Amino acid sequence: AQSVAQPEDQVNVAEGNPLTVKCTYSVSGNPYLFWYVQYPNRGLQFLLKYITGDNLVKGSYGFEAEFNKSQTSFHLKKPSALVSDSALYFCAVRVNTGRRALTFGSGTRLQVQP
Amino acid sequence: EAGVAQSPRYKIIEKRQSVAFWCNPISGHATLYWYQQILGQGPKLLIQFQNNGVVDDSQLPKDRFSAERLKGVDSTLKIQPAKLEDSAVYLCASSLERLAGGAPDTQYFGPGTRLTVL
Repeated sequence: AQSVAQPEDQVNVAEGNPLTVKCTYSVSGNPYLFWYVQYPNRGLQFLLKYITGDNLVKGSYGFEAEFNKSQTSFHLKKPSALVSDSALYFCAVRVNTGRRALTFGSGTRLQVQP
Repeated sequence: EAGVAQSPRYKIIEKRQSVAFWCNPISGHATLYWYQQILGQGPKLLIQFQNNGVVDDSQLPKDRFSAERLKGVDSTLKIQPAKLEDSAVYLCASSLERLAGGAPDTQYFGPGTRLTVL
């Protein structure tokens, strides 16, 4: 069975400071990892994904994530946070055999203070 | 490119009533997913279609939930009869993936339908 853990319910950061939203995963086989963002009353918007290759993945709106196989982590990062980044962030994992749907974490609320 | 469309956006019903949700995926996307997102949780898969065939419905409560994807395009998810614990946002997603074992493709989500069961 595959699972995702997002250990922080909420992350608070001041505007202009770097931000990190943590994610660890558990799968059998090679993981494919995704980050999505959800704004109030909106669906999930795709930010970035790791499939293979370079462990540092760059995505939309200046976000990036680093895949660390030994630590089974895929933390989301941004060098300088904006107030408009305040939203709910979900990490998700899937494998490429059998069940191919995403397994999501419980989400982390990011609050960026001006 | 138009995104995933869902309707209605909001629905309020009483328990034991029935309700249906509609989804129109991105044009050309072979795979369609229905997820249930309960408040404070991440989305959980209910059912996955590849074209008009069901790939995975292992987590669909089949005594009350049903879904179909006629002609491999639009899909409808139905709940009959609804229970209080069905209150959630129902998200539809689609992706290009056509072949098992192919490169994993991004799933794109619609805005969701927020269901409240009283």
